Parts: sequence; C-alpha cells; structure tokens
Amino acid sequence: SQQGEEDPQALSIQEGENATMNCSYKTSINNLQWYRQNSGRGLVHLILIRSNEREKHSGRLRVTLDTSKKSSSLLITASRAADTASYFCAYSGYSTLTFGKGTMLLVSP
Amino acid sequence: EAGVAQSPRYKIIEKRQSVAFWCNPISGHATLYWYQQILGQGPKLLIQFQNNGVVDDSQLPKDRFSAERLKGVDSTLKIQPAKLEDSAVYLCASSLGDLSVADTQYFGPGTRLTVL
Repeated sequence: SQQGEEDPQALSIQEGENATMNCSYKTSINNLQWYRQNSGRGLVHLILIRSNEREKHSGRLRVTLDTSKKSSSLLITASRAADTASYFCAYSGYSTLTFGKGTMLLVSP
Repeated sequence: EAGVAQSPRYKIIEKRQSVAFWCNPISGHATLYWYQQILGQGPKLLIQFQNNGVVDDSQLPKDRFSAERLKGVDSTLKIQPAKLEDSAVYLCASSLGDLSVADTQYFGPGTRLTVL
C-alpha cells in the first residue's frame, strides 16, 4: 500500500510559535490519525479524526480533514521544546493503518 | 496499565543469520501488529493478527519473514535469513480490536535491528 505524504519534511520554529504540518493520501478512508515519535517515548497516538468530521481539537492540537482534497493538517499552537519530534499521519480504510513519511519538527528554546 | 513490551531492544547480526523478536501486547487487546520502520520513513505494516488469526500479511516478505501469535497473546516475528536491507526498527503495536469503531494502536519501544 502507498504511504501518505507529509509536508514539510522538516520544520524548525521557536518556542511559542505555531507549527502546521500537512498530510495527503490517495485512497478513501474511514479515519485519519496523527502520531508523534521521539527517542524518549517511542510512537504515541495524538488524535483521531473520522471521515465524517472536519475539525477536531485536543489541548494544543487542532486537526482538520478535507476528504474532497484527500488532505489533513495538524496545528500545534504555542509550541514547546518538548514538542520536538517526528509527526506522522496514518490513515485507515478499515482497520489497517498506512503511515506517511513524517514531518520532523524542531522547536528551539 | 502496562504498555506493549518488546525484546530485545537492540540486535546486531550478520547477513544470512536468523533473528527473532518478541512482543507482549497490552492485556485484553485482541489485535496485534508488527511494523517495519526504516530510517527516515514511516512504519510499514508487516502483519496484523486478530486474536491468533492473521488479518493482513500482504506486505510480509514470506520467503524470509514469519510471525505467529500462539494462544492469541504474545507474538514472535522471525527473519531467516536476514539481508542488509532488513536493518530497521521493528515495532509491535496492539489495540482493543473492536472493528466497529476506529481503533487506537499502542506501540512498544521497538527493536532496532542492524544487519552487517
């Protein structure tokens, strides 16, 4: 199965700034999820948005989904150094997840 | 609640040798997944079990990779013989397995395999 594409591949910002990363996919989906991966905590689930939802919030995270454009975005507001990690979108048609290639986020103090 | 356990954490072998990885999922999770993550890429699903049955193994290189989940709990993933391109992190994940709702997967720390 084809991986999704994240954009940008890498992002460097200062603490307090917002970070936006995008994900595109090519198939019909049931839901789309975002995961974070860093060396300390491994791969951690952040948020899930279903195909019939357009926007979802969780703390400092905001996810949007546009199924007509087959794209999603993850916004992290008021970023912290601890947000430094790789972020992956993963989409599911039924139960199998297909991961994108990830965006590396560096938040500098 | 204990998370997904994997062992070993690191393994270095020479090509053509065999290697096995072990995974213990979160208690009560019916679905277990093995992923391969090559450096700089996202995880790629190798095999998915629902209890002790295989749901999806379409991306498992069956000529050298095998996996089993006896008794629907622990699982092992084996590579025999290993190739250089098998160098990667092997991630195990589990989920409740309720296919009627979107399922969150919980990942273990992974096993980093280096094939020399």
